[in-house]
Amino acid sequence: GNSVTQMEGPVTLSEEAFLTINCTYTATGYPSLFWYVQYPGEGLQLLLKATKADDKGSNKGFEATYRKETTSFHLEKGSVQVSDSAVYFCALSRNSGNTPLVFGKGTRLSVIA
Amino acid sequence: DVKVTQSSRYLVKRTGEKVFLECVQDMDHENMFWYRQDPGLGLRLIYFSYDVKMKEKGDIPEGYSVSREKKERFSLILESASTNQTSMYLCASRVGGGKNGYTFGSGTRLTVV
Repeated sequence: GNSVTQMEGPVTLSEEAFLTINCTYTATGYPSLFWYVQYPGEGLQLLLKATKADDKGSNKGFEATYRKETTSFHLEKGSVQVSDSAVYFCALSRNSGNTPLVFGKGTRLSVIA
Repeated sequence: DVKVTQSSRYLVKRTGEKVFLECVQDMDHENMFWYRQDPGLGLRLIYFSYDVKMKEKGDIPEGYSVSREKKERFSLILESASTNQTSMYLCASRVGGGKNGYTFGSGTRLTVV
């Protein structure tokens, strides 16, 4: 079946550090891939997505590239801010039909000044 | 922007009560979903709906039911609330098709005492 594995947290970084949160997936066919962010006390927000191999999704300084050969979709940011402290979820979806997203368990990021 | 509104941010109910969690979306989305979120377990799918009056069980449907009488509204029902249903409940909607991400509501934190 389809599944998503992301690195366990919590991840603690100093402000302006480089961020990588690893995400790998198992899927039949070629899914669409997503990163969601959840700020404290809120629901999840779509951060970025990629719908085919080699696509790069980007938003708010975050980037992730859909790597079919390594079945990965790692989230990166060159310089994190305290306001980036949140929980980040990687997710996948089959491109056909209405099947639900499959989520990873989430990675908590804390950025300290 | 699509808006998904969950009727309550915080709810406290007694064991054995019948509980209704309401979710309304304003962009004519076909698909709607209910998840619960618990520490260490990530997001778990309870029920989802492809269209009006249609429903599908997710991974953990026991103790829950749903209703979708109108396209914009998807209700989650706890038939007889129990303390192990204390959780954050998240509603999401999506226009049909796997390439489209979800829009989430802000969540309802339910405490069953």
